[in-house]
Amino acid sequence: EAGVAQSPRYKIIEKRQSVAFWCNPISGHATLYWYQQILGQGPKLLIQFQNNGVVDDSQLPKDRFSAERLKGVDSTLKIQPAKLEDSAVYLCASSLGRGGNTEAFFGQGTRLTVV
Amino acid sequence: GNSVTQMEGPVTLSEEAFLTINCTYTATGYPSLFWYVQYPGEGLQLLLKATKADDKGSNKGFEATYRKETTSFHLEKGSVQVSDSAVYFCALTPLNQAGTALIFGKGTTLSVSS
Repeated sequence: EAGVAQSPRYKIIEKRQSVAFWCNPISGHATLYWYQQILGQGPKLLIQFQNNGVVDDSQLPKDRFSAERLKGVDSTLKIQPAKLEDSAVYLCASSLGRGGNTEAFFGQGTRLTVV
Repeated sequence: GNSVTQMEGPVTLSEEAFLTINCTYTATGYPSLFWYVQYPGEGLQLLLKATKADDKGSNKGFEATYRKETTSFHLEKGSVQVSDSAVYFCALTPLNQAGTALIFGKGTTLSVSS
């Protein structure tokens, strides 16, 4: 079974530039998550989708971050404009459902460096 | 609010030593509790979980027991191996919210030497 795919693996941009990350979840997984993991910290949820609807985006900095999940499958996360403090690993995860017992599967992440 | 606190690392052990990584949580209701592991160069993967009080999760020789009275979910292994070197994250899923995303601790780095 193929896992969660993310691209690119690494990205270096200058501050005020824009960047986009792509995620392809495991086939059939209805729930998709984007997390931000700053060095030395645990992952923090940015946004959760159920199919193509947003379940929770309360921690998404909406003035600069946006995300979409068209057709309930692939998802993109965009940052525009980027700030130095956005340097982090961006993790995508997916799960079959929304229940607390449902295992979330993680991609390898995209490491973003803003200079 | 909901949060997870785990012991600061790094934890450095010799092979075959006993491992404990402490984890405590704050949550309303009865969350599910998890340990995730991140091996070097790999993505996060579920190590074990427990969904109700007194449940014991176990996998690959690791164990953790859901203690509601002490709000803890400490990770233990009787004899660590070099291949256990990784970053370990304690996490919870609150069950009283519309969203079911994981809330993670800061992670504990384990380094095992032969």
